[in-house]
Amino acid sequence: DAGITQSPRHKVTETGTPVTLRCHQTENHRYMYWYRQDPGHGLRLIHYSYGVKDTDKGEVSDGYSVSRSKTEDFLLTLESATSSQTSVYFCAISDRGNSYGYTFGSGTRLTVV
Amino acid sequence: AQTVTQSQPEMSVQEAETVTLSCTYDTSESNYYLFWYKQPPSRQMILVIRQEAYKQQNATENRFSVNFQKAAKSFSLKISDSQLGDTAMYFCALRPSGNTGKLIFGQGTTLQVKP
Repeated sequence: DAGITQSPRHKVTETGTPVTLRCHQTENHRYMYWYRQDPGHGLRLIHYSYGVKDTDKGEVSDGYSVSRSKTEDFLLTLESATSSQTSVYFCAISDRGNSYGYTFGSGTRLTVV
Repeated sequence: AQTVTQSQPEMSVQEAETVTLSCTYDTSESNYYLFWYKQPPSRQMILVIRQEAYKQQNATENRFSVNFQKAAKSFSLKISDSQLGDTAMYFCALRPSGNTGKLIFGQGTTLQVKP
């Protein structure tokens, strides 16, 4: 299996608290992505990175920030969690250009109460 | 805007039968790639099959094949000899060229294979 891990796998947090999700890869892939999965919406892109310290917004970036200080790590931060951010979050990596799909992490189920 | 639409939220099929999942998409790009992903209850996202838009030949992977109709912007997935392990949610995804590799997903179709 491709070396991509997400942590934590599950998390419950309170409204208004900051939360950081971590994605770690050992494949030295250039591109990394954060998606959220919600019923009826499929997966929607939050943020992505195309290199160390190079990041950009996706379609649902409000309330989220990211950082990539090393090739292997891509962090997603919810600055002040809200109930609407309850979701399953997936990290993905890609290296071989547009012709290939992603390799996904196993996802993080986040519940904001 | 580039979009992917899966109009069948849920489907079911008897074991050993054949089932087709529908997907339509919209893009102004001339070159792009299409994918089907499978998500079993374990939540893991698994690549099932991929299609390059400039190739007219439909992709096949064992029991999985696609019907790619470029003019109609349609990309359906056919599963032959359905197995209980095929029970999962299936996502169609579009990857236009030149956009830093972002994948655009459909809403998903939940497939139940019945014994």
